[in-house]
Amino acid sequence: AQSVTQPDIHITVSEGASLELRCNYSYGATPYLFWYVQSPGQGLQLLLKYFSGDTLVQGIKGFEAEFKRSQSSFNLRKPSVHWSDAAEYFCAVVHTGANNLFFGTGTRLTVIP
Amino acid sequence: NAGVTQTPKFQVLKTGQSMTLQCAQDMNHNSMYWYRQDPGMGLRLIYYSASEGTTDKGEVPNGYNVSRLNKREFSLRLESAAPSQTSVYFCASSPRGHGSTDTQYFGPGTRLTVL
Repeated sequence: AQSVTQPDIHITVSEGASLELRCNYSYGATPYLFWYVQSPGQGLQLLLKYFSGDTLVQGIKGFEAEFKRSQSSFNLRKPSVHWSDAAEYFCAVVHTGANNLFFGTGTRLTVIP
Repeated sequence: NAGVTQTPKFQVLKTGQSMTLQCAQDMNHNSMYWYRQDPGMGLRLIYYSASEGTTDKGEVPNGYNVSRLNKREFSLRLESAAPSQTSVYFCASSPRGHGSTDTQYFGPGTRLTVL
């Protein structure tokens, strides 16, 4: 079975500080990995995705994520957080032939001035 | 382009009542999905439709029915609502088939409370 774990339920960072949100997956083969963001009262929006190739992927809004097979991780990073980044972030996984996009439980990000 | 739209935005039902959640997309996407989002559980797939005229069960289909009315519209019906169905419901669509590497585009959600 495949699953996604986001170990941090809630993270608080200061505006301008760097950010790393953790995501671990369990699946035998290389999965397809996604990060989505949900602003308050909104639907989800794709930040970035990884299928193959370069393990460092760039996304929208200055976010990037790195796939590390040895650690089964796909952590999301941003060098300098803006107040508008306050939202909930979801990691998700799917593999070829599967029917489900599996979401993690989410990490809520609070940005303090 | 409105993207994915959902109606209603909010709904309160009594146990045993029925209702239909509506979803439409104007991006000419083939696949559409219904998810529910519960605190501490992320999003879970209820049903999906890989193309017009087809529907399949997802992770948590019990208590729900769906209809892919045409390529644009995908509705979710609760025949006899239960308090356990209190949740936020999201509709999504993607260009190609389910399980692919497609990006899914989400609607703004429907917040449903069952008393």
